[in-house]
Amino acid sequence: NAGVTQTPKFQVLKTGQSMTLQCAQDMNHNSMYWYRQDPGMGLRLIYYSASEGTTDKGEVPNGYNVSRLNKREFSLRLESAAPSQTSVYFCASSGVAGALLEQFFGPGTRLTVL
Amino acid sequence: SQQGEEDPQALSIQEGENATMNCSYKTSINNLQWYRQNSGRGLVHLILIRSNEREKHSGRLRVTLDTSKKSSSLLITASRAADTASYFCATDKGRDYKLSFGAGTTVTVRA
Repeated sequence: NAGVTQTPKFQVLKTGQSMTLQCAQDMNHNSMYWYRQDPGMGLRLIYYSASEGTTDKGEVPNGYNVSRLNKREFSLRLESAAPSQTSVYFCASSGVAGALLEQFFGPGTRLTVL
Repeated sequence: SQQGEEDPQALSIQEGENATMNCSYKTSINNLQWYRQNSGRGLVHLILIRSNEREKHSGRLRVTLDTSKKSSSLLITASRAADTASYFCATDKGRDYKLSFGAGTTVTVRA
């Protein structure tokens, strides 16, 4: 099992460009999450999907959109990137019965917006 | 805003010593978890403690929870170089399984 995979690993954008970060999990988890991590800070929740077909805003959703494509895949889109979106982005999943809360994380995408 | 705050922000210890870090949170929780993050990697789940539990052990890890003080501690005994990492607490309120993370404690274990 690959667990949670994210693509790309690194990306450099210019202000105003758009891009989509991809995330996939092979653990049959119901819930998926997108976080951002800035230097010296913990993770802040951007969006989450409690189950296939649903998405909800987290703590810092402005400037982002998400799509829960199917049970396995959850993508994060930046429509018009800004330097304030320079960060490390982590995708996570959870939701196996009996262990609903433990989240499994991908390796992260390091995004720089110039 | 972030629910949890870890203390200290950074900790440097000798191999074989114990490391203790604390997490305080602001509002009532359902569960509290601790995660580890090695440099440049994703987070890895360490342990979960429920609000009706006071102490939990897993290998060299011991977690305590004091809901009256809204605080938790993570103790790593007999530390090893491989324990060098950042440690985060995360809380949930039980309604939707969303986690709120603290800013983390960076632990350095010196050989």
